Amino acid sequence: EVQLVQSGAEVRRPGTTVKISCKVSGYTFSDHYMHWVQQAAGGGLEWMGLIDPQDGETIYAEKFQGRVTITADTSREIGYMELRRLRSEDTAVYYCGTALLGADSSLPGYWGQGTLVTVSS
Amino acid sequence: QSALTQPASVSGSPGQSITISCTGPTRDFGGYNYVSWYQQHPGKAPKLVIYEVSNRPSGVSNRFSGSKSGNTASLTISGLQAEDEADYYCSSYTDTSTCVFGTGTRITVL
Repeated sequence: EVQLVQSGAEVRRPGTTVKISCKVSGYTFSDHYMHWVQQAAGGGLEWMGLIDPQDGETIYAEKFQGRVTITADTSREIGYMELRRLRSEDTAVYYCGTALLGADSSLPGYWGQGTLVTVSS
Repeated sequence: QSALTQPASVSGSPGQSITISCTGPTRDFGGYNYVSWYQQHPGKAPKLVIYEVSNRPSGVSNRFSGSKSGNTASLTISGLQAEDEADYYCSSYTDTSTCVFGTGTRITVL
């Protein structure tokens, strides 16, 4: 069974940095992209970026370029998303996701449970 | 990069069929048939209901179906049930290998 388990809720001051983890099991981590998605309270899903764990190549959404870094530790099968220079608008739930096994598409098929990040002074 | 356009809300009575559209410029569909649809209940993570335009993951009801024509993808829910009341999002790969979600549609079962 594929599982993605994310780290717990975080509270940060504006201007600081948060790093969230996503531990996977049930499949070979390096075989599938990992995506990160932001969802502000009452808002929609917003794609932040992805990583190919096999070679570490990343692609970021223009909106988050320069503030986000996505990494992968293949030995521990954990993905990470770091968001810097936090502002109040970054208060949101962040999800990791990975492709559905057996599908050609690499869009998320499995999701983590979400991590709430609160940015407040 | 703008989100794909979906209607904000759609409603229907139990047993009816409803269709949600997802529209965007050609570049946002990337020339691929890699459109997914997600169901999200309040406070929960999204759940995949359709992938690659029209495929259903194992365990998803056959009341869910998807299609695509030109720059518009569609999700149809037939035999609407109370449990279908949720938010639905489309998603696609773009021609620059980024991903984009739709604006989201709230489905209300009357």
